Amino acid sequence: EDQVTQSPEALRLQEGESSSLNCSYTVSGLRGLFWYRQDPGKGPEFLFTLYSAGEEKEKERLKATLTKKESFLHITAPKPEDSATYLCAVRESGSGTYKYIFGTGTRLKVLA
Amino acid sequence: SAVISQKPSRDICQRGTSLTIQCQVDSQVTMMFWYRQQPGQSLTLIATANQGSEATYESGFVIDKFPISRPNLTFSTLTVSNMSPEDSSIYLCSVPGQTNTEAFFGQGTRLTVV
Repeated sequence: EDQVTQSPEALRLQEGESSSLNCSYTVSGLRGLFWYRQDPGKGPEFLFTLYSAGEEKEKERLKATLTKKESFLHITAPKPEDSATYLCAVRESGSGTYKYIFGTGTRLKVLA
Repeated sequence: SAVISQKPSRDICQRGTSLTIQCQVDSQVTMMFWYRQQPGQSLTLIATANQGSEATYESGFVIDKFPISRPNLTFSTLTVSNMSPEDSSIYLCSVPGQTNTEAFFGQGTRLTVV
């Protein structure tokens, strides 16, 4: 069964304390792995798409990497405004629809 | 990315009633998607709404409970019918990006059924 597991469920960091979020996935054929940021009361905001093992994408303090079984979202020197829930999703290969499988997210809290 | 507007942003409803959620996109899109995000759980696709055809529902979701309309290429509605407290959730509208890979989301509708 295709699934996405994110860890940890929650993470508290001091401002400037770098860390990584993990997304492990099991899918029959990967057509993309996606990272989203979700703030309370809002819909998910698209961050990155990764397609193949070894690929990396960066945006400000965030860097996403991909292997054949997992993806990491590295947060370098985080600031309080980085506090949010980070969601990972995969899209299945060969899918005739845009069906994404989402993880339950990592709730990140960055303390000043 | 497309600008997606959902209405209402939140509502508190009595059990047994129905609520219709509206989703408006600032550009024409072939497909629109409706998701549910229950507390502590991942986003789950309810159905795909194509203009001019019946919506396609995912396993566990039925048209009688979640009827969908798609009158044109920029608008869709999702109705949550005969609500019970178990329907309390965030409901999200989504459209594909220009590359047809990533998905973009509206701000969601937080529904509480009492």
